[in-house]
Amino acid sequence: QVQLVQSGAEVKKPGASVKVSCKASGYMFTSYYIHWVRQAPGQGLEWMGMINPNGGSTIYAQKFQGRVTMTRDTSASTVYMELTSLRSEDTAVYYCARLSTVVTPAFDYWGQGTLVTVSS
Amino acid sequence: EVVLTQSPGALSLSPGESATLSCRASQSVRSSYLAWYQQKPGQAPRLLIYGASSRATGIPDRFSGSGSGTDFTLTISRLEPEDFAVYYCQQYGSSSYSFGQGTKLEIK
Repeated sequence: QVQLVQSGAEVKKPGASVKVSCKASGYMFTSYYIHWVRQAPGQGLEWMGMINPNGGSTIYAQKFQGRVTMTRDTSASTVYMELTSLRSEDTAVYYCARLSTVVTPAFDYWGQGTLVTVSS
Repeated sequence: EVVLTQSPGALSLSPGESATLSCRASQSVRSSYLAWYQQKPGQAPRLLIYGASSRATGIPDRFSGSGSGTDFTLTISRLEPEDFAVYYCQQYGSSSYSFGQGTKLEIK
C-alpha cells in the first residue's frame, strides 16, 4: 500500500534551518510528484511547493522562494524539504503529499506530518 | 494567485441532516483542477473529491461535489458522526496551488 513516512518532530532556534524527510513506498517513486504543505497551529493549509522525483525539478510558492529547497534521493525513495532562516511564524506541521495525476491534480496520499517548532 | 474563499466558516448541524459547503474562487478555475479534503484533529487531510465532482477511492456516496468556473460546492447528505471535521477546497492553476481557509462542520 502507498505510504509516505516523515521524519520526527524538530525544535529549532530562530535563524536556524530544518530539513524534513518523506520516505515513499508502495508505488513507483519517480512516477508521482511530491508536494509540501504546512499548517500553523489552529490555521489552514498552505502550499509550499513541489518536486518531480523524476529529474528533480522543483516549483516553489513565491512566499518561500529563496528560503526553501526540495531535493530527492531516488535510491532511497525519499524527498527532503529544507527551510532556512527560520522564524517563529514557521512553527507548523509540515506535510508531504503525493499528487495523483496532472490531469486531475489532487493530493491523494499524505505523510503523517512533522511538527517543527521555532522558539528561542 | 487564485484565492479561494469558503463559506460558511462554521456550520452546526445534527446527524442525519445535509450540509452544503461553498468554495468561491477569485478567478475561474478549471473544474478538473478543484478538489476537496476532510481533516480531523491531529490527522493529515484526506482527499474526498477531485475534478470537482469525482469521489476519491473509498469515499461514501453521501459526499458529492459540483460546480464550475468560480463557484464550487461540497454536499454531504445524511451526516454521520464521523463527518464532523474541517473541510478544505483546493485548486491548481498557473503552476501554483492554493487552499481555502476551511469550513468547520460541528455537531449541533
